[in-house]
Amino acid sequence: DIVMTQSPDSLAVSLGERATINCKSSQSVLYSSNNKNYLAWYQQKPGQPPKLLIYWASTRESGVPDRFSGSGSGTDFTLTISSLQAEDVAVYYCQQYYNTLNTFGQGTKLEIK
Amino acid sequence: EVQLVQSGAEVKKAGESLKISCKVSGYSFTSYWIGWVRQMPGKGLEWVGIIYPGDSDTRYSPSFQGQVTISADKSISTAYLQWSSLKASDTAMYYCARGHSSSWTVFDPWGQGTLVTVSS
Repeated sequence: DIVMTQSPDSLAVSLGERATINCKSSQSVLYSSNNKNYLAWYQQKPGQPPKLLIYWASTRESGVPDRFSGSGSGTDFTLTISSLQAEDVAVYYCQQYYNTLNTFGQGTKLEIK
Repeated sequence: EVQLVQSGAEVKKAGESLKISCKVSGYSFTSYWIGWVRQMPGKGLEWVGIIYPGDSDTRYSPSFQGQVTISADKSISTAYLQWSSLKASDTAMYYCARGHSSSWTVFDPWGQGTLVTVSS
């Protein structure tokens, strides 16, 4: 299995400031034949199902605000929220889909400082 | 609008059987994979398995293989997750989600979730 490890487990950021969440995979999720990283990010607000934010490590899903961005390649990835809004309070998960046995990170809880 | 509507919360006893459902609308049911994800109380997301309703091709996480069965009924655009003998450790929220256009195992959108509570 590919193990996904997120850091930190929780994060408190002031409104308007930048939030950065990291995700590391135990093996590369970069598929050499198409040069794509099989890594997605989801947001889960309290009492709601997850919502897809980013796929292919850096492609924003339609309708997702442009303050959300994804970066990284191989085994190290980052989700950045450029200017934190109150509605961004949530748990964020990374997911690798490099192989059929998808795995998620343990989640990072983002709060307002 | 694409929608996945799941069946309501269930309270069961250990050893009982259960089948929960996920009814989809707004797209061709047989053209996208449908996955199931478990979220135990206060915990993260775990990939259970996935089905392609077009031909019923089904894959399971090794952690769930033999513990659950995923199926689909094309005539009513509904996917199912079932247990033959529940355990207290099956207590969790279960989500269905559609495979994304980019990749069959990226999930969007998601159903609202079905809470399964199993008492021992």
